[in-house]
Amino acid sequence: QVQLVESGGGLVKSGGSLRLSCVASGFSFSGYYMSWFRQAPGKGLEWISYISSSATTIYYADSVRGRFTIFRDNAKSSLFLQMNSLRAEDTAVYYCARDPDADNYFDYWGQGTLVTVSS
Amino acid sequence: DIQITQSPSTLSASVGDRVTITCRASQSISIWLAWYQHKPGKAPKLLIYRASTLQSGVPSRFSGSGSETEFTLTINSLQPDDFASYYCMQYNTYPLTFGGGTKVDIK
Repeated sequence: QVQLVESGGGLVKSGGSLRLSCVASGFSFSGYYMSWFRQAPGKGLEWISYISSSATTIYYADSVRGRFTIFRDNAKSSLFLQMNSLRAEDTAVYYCARDPDADNYFDYWGQGTLVTVSS
Repeated sequence: DIQITQSPSTLSASVGDRVTITCRASQSISIWLAWYQHKPGKAPKLLIYRASTLQSGVPSRFSGSGSETEFTLTINSLQPDDFASYYCMQYNTYPLTFGGGTKVDIK
């Protein structure tokens, strides 16, 4: 069955960096577009970044552009989010999700990893 | 960016009730809208995509309708497992944007 497992979250000081990972299983990862989302405490869901299957197309939300980098390793069925210059407002649970048919909606999500940025 | 206004933000209902949640887009998004159910500590679950297509495995008591700027999620005969938060998401244009969410709790 399709599984997405995020890791790499934790407590970091403002201005610091973290790298999140998302390991996929149960499907042919290299053929799927992927995205990262987040949910801050008490807030709703927010899309933050998208990457096509071959990484030729990448998008970012304005809130993270220039600080976060999305990339993937198809040989390892893994998606990554490099987060630099972290701010208190980046505190959130981060989710990776799969786009089932390059249609920009997402059918499978991981359970998330918590990032806490202390000021 | 396309703004999505979701209402109500909270909804108290009983098992067996029919529940309706609405999302309005700031501009036309055709049918490019999805609905998600989200419970604390869990992965969001896709319910509906293309405004009205039921995701495989989702109970038929969930239905979606609408197009352009007005969309509705209906839950017929609310079940105990349905008490959760619900979000709509437009995917007509990047950045993808969500409604603010609707928390459905027990009356």
